Amino acid sequence: LAKTTQPISMDSYEGQEVNITCSHNNIATNDYITWYQQFPSQGPRFIIQGYKTKVTNEVASLFIPADRKSSTLSLPRVSLSDTAVYYCLVGDLDTGRRALTFGSGTRLQVQP
Amino acid sequence: ETGVTQSPTHLIKTRGQQVTLRCSSQSGHNTVSWYQQALGQGPQFIFQYYREEENGRGNFPPRFSGLQFPNYSSELNVNALELDDSALYLCASRRDRSYEQYFGPGTRLTVT
Repeated sequence: LAKTTQPISMDSYEGQEVNITCSHNNIATNDYITWYQQFPSQGPRFIIQGYKTKVTNEVASLFIPADRKSSTLSLPRVSLSDTAVYYCLVGDLDTGRRALTFGSGTRLQVQP
Repeated sequence: ETGVTQSPTHLIKTRGQQVTLRCSSQSGHNTVSWYQQALGQGPQFIFQYYREEENGRGNFPPRFSGLQFPNYSSELNVNALELDDSALYLCASRRDRSYEQYFGPGTRLTVT
């Protein structure tokens, strides 16, 4: 299983950039890295996905170094509504043979 | 709104009973995964179905079983319920070759 390690919690203020790092030392060649956001009493919501280098979309950026043993989710200018739990997920969705592992997640608290 | 629905919303069962949870995926999403999320924990992968066949399974016993139907609906069946089965059960669907999973709101199962 591709085990992931993230900080348990982070605090930030509105307008700041937040970087959440995930460690996945035993990532396999076919594994992709995906980040999800989850609010209380809701299912996780897809944020971004990547394989290597940098990926950017309208809500976040994902930085993946060459060895792919870690990844960093970057949220620019966070707001109060970004308060949620963020999960890093590593796996090969195409085959499902490497079970998809959500870690314990990072609880981000954004203050005014 | 992800287009993925789950029923029922809440359910209370007694230890030893059997339960069936249902999920309706978006049209065209031929892959569905089921997850168990205990309170304060990340979602744990149960299994994945692709075109009505199981093609990946997490560390869950055989009393957790599933079905996927041609109409993009699926079921999670749990036999011989145990107290530790109390959790939020999430289904997630996606298109073939896509890593963007769309999660439903979940079913909260309580086993007494």
